[in-house]
This record gives sequence, structure tokens and C-alpha cells, in this order.
Amino acid sequence: GNSVTQMEGPVTLSEEAFLTINCTYTATGYPSLFWYVQYPGEGLQLLLKATKADDKGSNKGFEATYRKETTSFHLEKGSVQVSDSAVYFCALTTFDAGKSTFGDGTTLTVKP
Amino acid sequence: ETGVTQSPTHLIKTRGQQVTLRCSSQSGHNTVSWYQQALGQGPQFIFQYYREEENGRGNFPPRFSGLQFPNYSSELNVNALELDDSALYLCASSPGLSDTQYFGPGTRLTVL
Repeated sequence: GNSVTQMEGPVTLSEEAFLTINCTYTATGYPSLFWYVQYPGEGLQLLLKATKADDKGSNKGFEATYRKETTSFHLEKGSVQVSDSAVYFCALTTFDAGKSTFGDGTTLTVKP
Repeated sequence: ETGVTQSPTHLIKTRGQQVTLRCSSQSGHNTVSWYQQALGQGPQFIFQYYREEENGRGNFPPRFSGLQFPNYSSELNVNALELDDSALYLCASSPGLSDTQYFGPGTRLTVL
């Protein structure tokens, strides 16, 4: 079956530090890959996506590249802000769209 | 454009009771998926409805059931509640069988 493994947290960074959150996956077929962000007390917001190998998704300074050879989709940001503090989820969907498989989430705290 | 809405926001039930959670899809979306998110974990797929028909189910027992209405709003029903059903229940809608979903804020269910 499909699975997503995320870097364990929590992650604590100082403002303007570089962020990497690792994500690897196992899937049958050719999945689409996603990063979602969840702020305290809220639902999930789509942060970025990539639908095929070597695609780069980007949004709000965050980036992730679909690496088929390493089955990875690591999230990066060059300079984090306090407002980026949240839980980040890596996810995939396969041909049966909408039935996403999620990682367990990585909690990011950014200190001023 | 109205996003995905869910009601109620919070709910407290006792073991053995039944509960109904509601979701209104984003305008123009005819697919809805439900997820259970236990504390500290990623969302787990419960089932999906497309044009009022169930279009796939995750590893949840039959006491988890759902409906989708002609206006594409949806209900999740859980019978014979157990303590482990305590979680955040998320609804997500999408246009057709797109791989991009839009999540609601969730309903926090506590079973005592």
C-alpha cells in the first residue's frame, strides 16, 4: 500500500534560518505529491503540489521538488518567519484521486 | 466564493452514542472526502463520495457511514461511539476527481 514518512519533529529554528523537512514515500503507480500546512485549531491548507517527476512546487517562499529516483519530496524555505510556525504534512494521492495518504506531520516552531 | 464549511465546530458525546457531522462543499465541487485526524497524527482517509455515490473507503468499520446530497453537501455518521473515535474530523471537497482537495476547518469530536 501507499505510505508517507516524514522527518520527525518537533523542529525549532530561529527567524531567518533555512528550513528543510524531509519526506519520502512509497506508492504504486505515479502519485501526485503535496505539502499541507495546519495552523493551531484549523484545518489543512494546501501549501504546494507537484504532479510528475522533476516538477517543483512553490508557494510563499516554500519549495519542494518531486524526486522519483529517491522517492522524496523534501520541503525547503530559505528564510523562515515566526508566522511559519505550524504543523506541516506531506501527502500523496494516486490514480484514485482524493484518497490521500498523509505523513504524521512535522511541527515547526520559529523563534524571534 | 465560499470555502468548505463544517458543523459543528466541537462536539462531546458519550461512549455508545451516535453522531452526525456535516460538511458543505466549496461551490462547484461534486466530490467530498472525509478524514479522521487523531491527536498528533496525520489524517486517515475514511471514504469519498462522488456525485452522491460512495467512491472508495479506507480501513474504517461499517459503523462509519456517509451520505452526499444533490447539492453536494455531505454527512458523516458514526454509530456506537468508542473512546478511540475522539479526533478531528476533516472534510475536503474537489471539482470532479481532481487530486487537489480543499479542506474545511474540521469538527473536534470528544467521546467520554
